[in-house]
Amino acid sequence: DGGITQSPKYLFRKEGQNVTLSCEQNLNHDAMYWYRQDPGQGLRLIYYSQIVNDFQKGDIAEGYSVSREKKESFPLTVTSAQKNPTAFYLCASSIFPAPADTQYFGPGTRLTVL
Amino acid sequence: AQSVTQLDSQVPVFEEAPVELRCNYSSSVSVYLFWYVQYPNQGLQLLLKYLSGSTLVKGINGFEAEFNKSQTSFHLRKPSVHISDTAEYFCAVSDRGSRLTFGEGTQLTVNP
Repeated sequence: DGGITQSPKYLFRKEGQNVTLSCEQNLNHDAMYWYRQDPGQGLRLIYYSQIVNDFQKGDIAEGYSVSREKKESFPLTVTSAQKNPTAFYLCASSIFPAPADTQYFGPGTRLTVL
Repeated sequence: AQSVTQLDSQVPVFEEAPVELRCNYSSSVSVYLFWYVQYPNQGLQLLLKYLSGSTLVKGINGFEAEFNKSQTSFHLRKPSVHISDTAEYFCAVSDRGSRLTFGEGTQLTVNP
């Protein structure tokens, strides 16, 4: 089955530690995205990548980093510089980085920083 | 810059009643409009999207939405809801770039 997988589903970390969230897709999509979801705030774009070895900052990139070394993988690192990292993180992909393209979402990772 | 406003944060309805979830957008250029649904602790799933053509768009699970350019609205409707429609619904807009801008979401709760 084709789809997007995110692991782990729940993640706990101590304050000050970096943590990497995994996102893998086998849909052969060019574009991938990372969103952060907080209650009552909808989804906010962290980073996106339109093609391998290239990525752009979204609206709330501070304290986060990404890489896109392979087409199917787009890991997100939450660094210690992120002041309030506890949130639900969603990864998505689309066939092309086109405005009309549907974005397909993974099941999400809930990160809790203690 | 584009933005999306979902006018109701929570909408409670009884089963088999009709429902309308309201969405207004602002953009300086032509846009594409989307409605996504999110069930608890899951990712988002596309309900429907408006790209061009007919202003009435039909989606999955019996939902439909109407694009109104003069009122810059894209309201989501269903004539008769089920318990299983309980979820959070997000309106989103995309302009000429590849980025989606989401509204804050509307929690639809269907009561028996």
